[in-house]
Amino acid sequence: DAKTTQPNSMESNEEEPVHLPCNHSTISGTDYIHWYRQLPSQGPEYVIHGLTSNVNNRMASLAIAEDRKSSTLILHRATLRDAAVYYCILLNTGTASKLTFGTGTRLQVTL
Amino acid sequence: SAVISQKPSRDICQRGTSLTIQCQVDSQVTMMFWYRQQPGQSLTLIATANQGSEATYESGFVIDKFPISRPNLTFSTLTVSNMSPEDSSIYLCSVAPRVYYGYTFGSGTRLTVV
Repeated sequence: DAKTTQPNSMESNEEEPVHLPCNHSTISGTDYIHWYRQLPSQGPEYVIHGLTSNVNNRMASLAIAEDRKSSTLILHRATLRDAAVYYCILLNTGTASKLTFGTGTRLQVTL
Repeated sequence: SAVISQKPSRDICQRGTSLTIQCQVDSQVTMMFWYRQQPGQSLTLIATANQGSEATYESGFVIDKFPISRPNLTFSTLTVSNMSPEDSSIYLCSVAPRVYYGYTFGSGTRLTVV
């Protein structure tokens, strides 16, 4: 499975944008880029995914580099409820479709 | 997205005993997954549970220790057998009802073995 690299932790002030980076230099053409987050004492929840083009939904935006070797999850206005561990995961739709979690980025949001 | 009911939410068990965790989904799904999350760690996939066939286990996990049942398309169980304190973890089930719209996770079972 292609591997992703994320910073261990990041900090943000409330109501400011947050850019969470992810490197995936060995990504293949059929790998989708997925982001999940895990709030304290909860199971992971889906945030967003994309293949080549930038994507937006009500939770976040996903910016994908032109060469697809990196991506950035953008939270437009961080709130205290966004404090979580964010996981960037590559999912190859041609395989058994299992999610493999790395160590993720722990986002701390402060007032 | 699918709604998952996972039971029990937590339990404290004696070493040497077994615990069965249930995962009920409100819609039919082809694949269900079981994960373990050790304290302070990320999630590790234990196995994929397919209806009508044996579960597929990841490296380091064996059927004798973590037997899985998948009797129909909405239900699965994971048993943690002959438990030791090292099995103390959160166990989570997950489903992918629509592959491109995200996987759904249960709220987890927090297991403490004493």
